[in-house]
Order: sequence, then structure tokens, then C-alpha cells
Amino acid sequence: EIVLTQSPGTLSLSPGERVTLSCRASQYITSGHLAWYQQKPGQSPRLLIYGTSTRATVIPDRFSGSGSGTDFTLTISRLEPEDFAVYYCHQYDSSPQTFGQGTKLEIK
Amino acid sequence: DVQLVESGGDLVQPGGSLRLSCAASGFSLSNYGMFWVRQPPGKGLEWVSGINYNGAYIFYADSVKGRFTISRDSSKNTLYLQVNSLRAEDTAVYYCARAYSSGFYSYFESWGQGTLVTVSS
Repeated sequence: EIVLTQSPGTLSLSPGERVTLSCRASQYITSGHLAWYQQKPGQSPRLLIYGTSTRATVIPDRFSGSGSGTDFTLTISRLEPEDFAVYYCHQYDSSPQTFGQGTKLEIK
Repeated sequence: DVQLVESGGDLVQPGGSLRLSCAASGFSLSNYGMFWVRQPPGKGLEWVSGINYNGAYIFYADSVKGRFTISRDSSKNTLYLQVNSLRAEDTAVYYCARAYSSGFYSYFESWGQGTLVTVSS
């Protein structure tokens, strides 16, 4: 099983700041099969990024993904108030598929 | 529009069983991989089970293997998760999610709103 470790666990930031979230895999992820989701309280997760770096439909371009192998990142170039949420990475490269434990972005 | 509506969650005693349903609309289940993901209260997401478009490929997380069974009824366009021998640690919101494609190895493009399973005596 591929274990995904996200860091940091919680980030306190202000609107307008730039942030980079990390997702590290315990094994090599081939073909870039890594996705990112955003979840707000009381809501279902929402797909942001798939295939490491492709934005999902209607996701603004301030969100970007990158990485390869075992190290992946999600960057938000300029935080908007609606971006404060929990972010999860997800590998769909091998079974069982797994999620990271999440990174919570909170308003400073 | 793609819509996934889960139901069947309830309060159940340890050792009990439930059948969770996920009614799909706006697409045919027979053309997509489908999955169950759960989230214990206040915690992160856990991948539970998945089935590819034709049912030929099914996989379970180790934590539920032998106790949970995924299936679907194409005539009702509904995905199911039979959950047996429930334990306290199975308490969670259970989401169904649709893959981008017919395959098994896919990200989750659409999610339902979830159904809550509470295991307690």
C-alpha cells in the first residue's frame, strides 16, 4: 500500500498569500496518477487537480499542481477567502488507492 | 447533470449490518468505475472499495475486506455497499464517487453528499 504523507498538518495564513502544500508518497507513483481535492466543512470533497498537474473543470488558475515520483505539491498562488479549507492528495496508481491525511488551511 | 445520492446510513449496534445505496443520475453506471470513500467524524478520507465499469475488477481496503461487499444494479443505476460485522471504527460518513472513466485507476470526478453510519451500542 502506498502511504501518502501530507505536510504541514495545519497552516495559518492570510488572504493574498502564496502557499505550497506537500504530499510525499512511500513508493514511486507512476504516470503521475496523483489528484488533489478540497473539502469545506459539511461538504463533500471537490476535485481540484488530477494527473499531478491538470486543473479540473472550473478550477481557477491560482491552483496548480506539480511533482513526480514520490514528491508532489499543490500551490495556491494567491489565497482567496474561499480557499480556506482542508486539502487531500489521492493516489490512484495502485490498489488500494489511498489518501493523504489532509492539510488544513486556516485564516490567520 | 451528474448526480449521486447516497442513502441507507443509520445507527446500528456492533456486529450489525446495513446496505448503503448510491443512486446515480445523469449518466450510466455501466460506463464508469465507481467507488466508496468514508470519513470518520472530524478525520480524513479513507478509500474503502471500488468497482470498474463491468464489474470485472473489484478491490477493498484491508480494513473492510471480508466484511464489505460492493455491487451495482444497472437496471436501477444504483451502486451498493453491503456492510456487515460492523465495528465502532466503521463509524463514518460514506461517500460514493464516480471515476473519470470506465477504468479502476482513476481520480474521482463527482461525489455524493454522503450517508452517515454510526456503530454504537
